[in-house]
Amino acid sequence: DTGVSQNPRHKITKRGQNVTFRCDPISEHNRLYWYRQTLGQGPEFLTYFQNEAQLEKSRLLSDRFSAERPKGSFSTLEIQRTEQGDSAMYLCASSFEWGTGSNTEAFFGQGTRLTVV
Amino acid sequence: GQQLNQSPQSMFIQEGEDVSMNCTSSSIFNTWLWYKQDPGEGPVLLIALYKAGELTSNGRLTAQFGITRKDSFLNISASIPSDVGIYFCAGLTKGYGNKLVFGAGTILRVKS
Repeated sequence: DTGVSQNPRHKITKRGQNVTFRCDPISEHNRLYWYRQTLGQGPEFLTYFQNEAQLEKSRLLSDRFSAERPKGSFSTLEIQRTEQGDSAMYLCASSFEWGTGSNTEAFFGQGTRLTVV
Repeated sequence: GQQLNQSPQSMFIQEGEDVSMNCTSSSIFNTWLWYKQDPGEGPVLLIALYKAGELTSNGRLTAQFGITRKDSFLNISASIPSDVGIYFCAGLTKGYGNKLVFGAGTILRVKS
């Protein structure tokens, strides 16, 4: 296992188009997170999954955003009707929760850089 | 909501110098993590801290989990040019659903 993998690394799209990103977490990790990062800022939480269940969504995640993790392995993040304000780095991270509320460290992928023109 | 205050925002240092940065919050955290991010890349985990008072080293890096559980610091000894980048602290707590909360980052620039 080589760590968290995100595809594509870069995406340029026209405003109004739909885009989908994929994240493959570390194989034994049951938690998967999506974050968004804009220039000069730290990553901002969007949503996370425990196995296939989406447990929390940030208010940053508008109705145009949807995330899935259908089999508890890889996850997709879709943005519909993209806007220029959606331009950012989208980061995925994974970790393992022991079930006692304790997590291992979260490891990040290399991110998908989205540019909406 | 929860917030991590990271300082300094940026710093220039001379190669070979020691560096110190810290992260504070009004909230209690169960875990502190320190990451380094290079331009165009995802954050890379440097050190993880799980207990109040814990002091952990990773090569030239040393980090501590504050006794109050509301702060953490990261030290880099004998800095080298490849230490350049953005360093983020992140906290994790059950009170916020065990999701990572990040500071705004410390930009480290090294004069060679």
